[in-house]
Amino acid sequence: DQQVKQNSPSLSVQEGRISILNCDYTNSMFDYFLWYKKYPAEGPTFLISISSIKDKNEDGRFTVFLNKSAKHLSLHIVPSQPGDSAVYFCAASGRNNDMRFGAGTRLTVKP
Amino acid sequence: DVKVTQSSRYLVKRTGEKVFLECVQDMDHENMFWYRQDPGLGLRLIYFSYDVKMKEKGDIPEGYSVSREKKERFSLILESASTNQTSMYLCASSSYRVGAFFGQGTRLTVV
Repeated sequence: DQQVKQNSPSLSVQEGRISILNCDYTNSMFDYFLWYKKYPAEGPTFLISISSIKDKNEDGRFTVFLNKSAKHLSLHIVPSQPGDSAVYFCAASGRNNDMRFGAGTRLTVKP
Repeated sequence: DVKVTQSSRYLVKRTGEKVFLECVQDMDHENMFWYRQDPGLGLRLIYFSYDVKMKEKGDIPEGYSVSREKKERFSLILESASTNQTSMYLCASSSYRVGAFFGQGTRLTVV
């Protein structure tokens, strides 16, 4: 059973609008959360992370929100750009240094 | 420029063969990971290692083993390749609480 879940396989948004990607986790031992972006034929690249002691982390157009009580995190991209079109993976890590991933969400930003 | 290098981009092996996938990182990272990526399933953790000679099972270790004799090198071994091990294999490395760096991936086909 997957410990990290991304229930939306795909998302399509218009350029300039907000993209919101969601992720849920089941293991309460996870205390560090990450988002990765993946283009075809390439390995994933790290985007942004958040520790469980925070509820928000911002980096330019990317903001990650963490709701520990709901075991839910989200990635907001504002404004969305066509170059953001990729597969986004949510990941979670615990104190044993593991790193589990969700199934990914394919984001398409339309010009 | 930081690098995680996987020995092959594409590999074709026969059922029953012993297969070695090699991964080398040049960032002096403690943690190294092996994942397989399959459509709709995201990245599934096979094994990870947090130190030399240390290894931990991930979610799908059956049919695989690993070796980490040196800090920079983490090998994935398919003891007897089967067709259901046809997949994209991704290696990653990270330091504690830092986003991981991924290799380009090895697309393995078992015939």
